[in-house]
Amino acid sequence: ETGVTQTPRHLVMGMTNKKSLKCEQHLGHNAMYWYKQSAKKPLELMFVYNFKEQTENNSVPSRFSPECPNSSHLFLHLHTLQPEDSALYLCASSQGEGTGLLVRDTQYFGPGTRLTVL
Amino acid sequence: AQSVAQPEDQVNVAEGNPLTVKCTYSVSGNPYLFWYVQYPNRGLQFLLKYITGDNLVKGSYGFEAEFNKSQTSFHLKKPSALVSDSALYFCAVRDTNFNKFYFGSGTKLNVKP
Repeated sequence: ETGVTQTPRHLVMGMTNKKSLKCEQHLGHNAMYWYKQSAKKPLELMFVYNFKEQTENNSVPSRFSPECPNSSHLFLHLHTLQPEDSALYLCASSQGEGTGLLVRDTQYFGPGTRLTVL
Repeated sequence: AQSVAQPEDQVNVAEGNPLTVKCTYSVSGNPYLFWYVQYPNRGLQFLLKYITGDNLVKGSYGFEAEFNKSQTSFHLKKPSALVSDSALYFCAVRDTNFNKFYFGSGTKLNVKP
């Protein structure tokens, strides 16, 4: 196990539902990430949090709303999704970045949540 | 544009034969390069990385990769493939100039007995 857990592992939701994905890391890391993995496409980095602060938002639609209450937990709140949002959503964590200094961090991934939007 | 390319969607190799999974990159700064493997219904697992130093990097499960600056490549290799190596392999690069992280689209490796 990589020390990064994600729940639920599978989720089916209608376009009008509201749901949340949860990620928890037990590695003592300070940075956490959300990725979207669709078939035959590069992994899409959605959000990055470093020391609980959002440091990156790669033009993700507002129907995806991240929340990072502390360095160990990361949520992705979902609302009025579209069928094309169906994908595997991966959470990752890494050691994190010190102020003004790039850390050569390796990312550790959770098993993902398989999301299907009907 | 900054990117990572894995030119092969799929690589087929017989067990016991050497394997190569190709990766090329295009970034503006010095690259940090990574390989990850994804088994079915699992998240990505770190295999190896190149930061600096020796161009040949050895990683988990007998895999290695060679950084070639002139060809901007970081191909993954293993001298003798195992059926259990069958999985999806992702190359990734960190552009140190812009602190951006890019993944390739993945290469499915099929090792047949």
